[in-house]
Amino acid sequence: GAGVSQSPSNKVTEKGKDVELRCDPISGHTALYWYRQSLGQGLEFLIYFQGNSAPDKSGLPSDRFSAERTGGSVSTLTIQRTQQEDSAVYLCASTHWGQGHEQYFGPGTRLTVT
Amino acid sequence: QQQVKQSPQSLIVQKGGIPIINCAYENTAFDYFPWYQQFPGKGPALLIAIRPDVSEKKEGRFTISFNKSAKQFSLHIMDSQPGDSATYFCAASSDQTGANNLFFGTGTRLTVIP
Repeated sequence: GAGVSQSPSNKVTEKGKDVELRCDPISGHTALYWYRQSLGQGLEFLIYFQGNSAPDKSGLPSDRFSAERTGGSVSTLTIQRTQQEDSAVYLCASTHWGQGHEQYFGPGTRLTVT
Repeated sequence: QQQVKQSPQSLIVQKGGIPIINCAYENTAFDYFPWYQQFPGKGPALLIAIRPDVSEKKEGRFTISFNKSAKQFSLHIMDSQPGDSATYFCAASSDQTGANNLFFGTGTRLTVIP
C-alpha cells in the first residue's frame, strides 16, 4: 500500500522567504509527526498531531515554524522568514493510534536556504 | 540536550562481523526503545524495538540487548552483510507523555566491507 509521501523532495529558497512543506500520511493513521534531521544531529521532534486534539508544539524551535493538519489527514509545515540554520531534511511520520509506537516515515524534504 | 546518547558515530566491519551500536538514556519514563535503519535518500524505517520488561529481543540477524538498571541498550547485527550498510538510529519514547514522540540518538553510520 501507499506509504507516507512528502513534497517537494527538494526545496532551495533564499534567506528570508517563506516555505511550505507537505506531508500525506498513510490513510487511516490518526497520529502525525514532524521531525527535522540535521547533519550529525540525528532527528529532532518538531510537532505532533493526534486526531482532533490540540497539537503538541513543544519541539518547534521558534515562532517562525508552524504546522497545520487539515481534515485529520494532510499536514503542512510552514517556515517563515527562513534562515540558513533552517537547512535540513524535514521528515514526516504517521502512526495508527493504539497499535504501538511504530512510526512510518516519509522520504523527507531536503530544504536548503541560501 | 540530547536525551538519547548513541555511539559510535561510525563503524566499519568486514562482512560476517558483528557490529555493535550502543545507546544510553536518562529519562526513566521511557518505555519503548526502537532502532531505525536509514538508507541514503530514504526516511528511517523501523528495524526492531524492545520494551523494558525484557532484556533481549531477537529478530533475524538483529538483536537488541537492554539493561534497565544501567539505562543502556544496544543493537547487534549478526553475520553482517554489505546490504546492512546504512545509518542506524536508536530512539526512545514514553507512553506517559501521551504524544509518544521519539527522541533519537545522533546515528551511527555502518559500513560493511565485502
